Amino acid sequence: DVKVTQSSRYLVKRTGEKVFLECVQDMDHENMFWYRQDPGLGLRLIYFSYDVKMKEKGDIPEGYSVSREKKERFSLILESASTNQTSMYLCASSLRQGYSNQPQHFGDGTRLSIL
Amino acid sequence: KNEVEQSPQNLTAQEGEFITINCSYSVGISALHWLQQHPGGGIVSLFMLSSGKKKHGRLIATINIQEKHSSLHITASHPRDSAVYICAVRSKGGSQGNLIFGKGTKLSVKP
Repeated sequence: DVKVTQSSRYLVKRTGEKVFLECVQDMDHENMFWYRQDPGLGLRLIYFSYDVKMKEKGDIPEGYSVSREKKERFSLILESASTNQTSMYLCASSLRQGYSNQPQHFGDGTRLSIL
Repeated sequence: KNEVEQSPQNLTAQEGEFITINCSYSVGISALHWLQQHPGGGIVSLFMLSSGKKKHGRLIATINIQEKHSSLHITASHPRDSAVYICAVRSKGGSQGNLIFGKGTKLSVKP
């Protein structure tokens, strides 16, 4: 079974801090994704990566950056955390799309609170 | 208008009832996904389909490409089916792996 592991289930940080959210997958997937999920808005894509050191902006990249130095690890960085970044953050991975529409496999999520 | 619309937003059922959740989309798609999210956050992929019908246990997913509509059915519902069910589509020609998500249907099954 695919395992997508997010480093923390719950995290509390202060406004202005630099925050790192880590995600690791164990199935050699090319694609990795970071989403945030807010009540009434559903899942929104922040960034995704289709290979090591490759990244593309999603729908809401402002205030975030990402790093993919190794294939199995995809990090989301909040450069200067703000209260409007309080949310549930979900990481996912999948095989490259060319392999006939592969499903995305999700981690358990990190509930981040910015005070 | 959202590209993926789900109905109903909230659904309460009695144990044993047959449940239907609907998903309509406005873009051409290469695949449609049904996902399940339990309280606590983790998301599980239930189905991925591009035509016809798929069945897994008490869950059935159907899709009508011409009508741009999909349904998720749960037979003999049980309290452990209580979760948020999310429809997501991969648009044709969409960027590598991108999905467009509906806002979810929150299902509560009462014993």
